[in-house]
Amino acid sequence: QITLKESGPTLVKPTQTLTLTCTFSGFSLSTNGVAVGWIRQPPGNALEWLALIYWDDDKRYRPSLKSRLTITKDTSKNQVVLTMTNMDPVDTATYYCAHRVDSINTFDYWGQGTLVTVSS
Amino acid sequence: EIVMTQSPATLSASPGERVTLSCRASQSVNGKLAWFQQKPGQAPRLLIYATSFRATGIPARFSGSGSETDFTLTISSLQSEDFAVYYCQQYGDWPPYTFGQGTKLEIK
Repeated sequence: QITLKESGPTLVKPTQTLTLTCTFSGFSLSTNGVAVGWIRQPPGNALEWLALIYWDDDKRYRPSLKSRLTITKDTSKNQVVLTMTNMDPVDTATYYCAHRVDSINTFDYWGQGTLVTVSS
Repeated sequence: EIVMTQSPATLSASPGERVTLSCRASQSVNGKLAWFQQKPGQAPRLLIYATSFRATGIPARFSGSGSETDFTLTISSLQSEDFAVYYCQQYGDWPPYTFGQGTKLEIK
C-alpha cells in the first residue's frame, strides 16, 4: 500500500525559505522508473506542478519557478524534500507530494496535502 | 508551455445522468492526457491516464477518449459520490506538466 504524507510549516513570512518534507511508504525511490513530484493548489484554484525527482536522482522543475526550487531525496529515510526560496503571499497554497511511475507517467498516489500560508 | 482549457467551468446534472466533460490542449499531447477527481478537502484522485486507461479501482462508468488536442471524460450514470471537481492534465510535453482549470460537477 502506497502512502505519502507532507510535513512542514503552516505559516512562513515573506522572503523566507519554505522547506517541505514528503515521507512515503509502500515503494522505494531507488526502484527503476519511480519518481516523486510536488504539486500545489492555491485556495480555490487549479493545480500547479512544481518539481519531480527520479529514482536515479534526475530532477525536473517548473521553468518559471526553477530559480527558487530545489528537490532532493533521502532514499534511506523514504523522504523527498522541496525547498522554495523567497516566499511571497501568492505562494499560499496546499502543497501535495505524489508518486509517479514510468508505466503510468503521471501521479497515481497523492499525499493529503499541507496548507502553507505566506503572511507577515 | 501547453495550456489546457476545460469546459464547461460548471456542469449541473442529476444522479443517473450521463455527462461529458471536455478538455482541450493548445497543442498535441500525443495521447498523454490524464483526468483527476477532487472532492472538497481531499487530494486529487487519478481516474484516467493515457487518454483512456482507467486507474486501479476506478469504476467502469468513467471513460476517457480523444486524441491530439481534444479529450473527453464521460461518466455514464452519475452517482452521488461523483459530484466533485475534475481536472485534466497533460504529460506529453513537459516540463512543465500542466493542468486545466477544472470543471465543477454539481447536483442539479
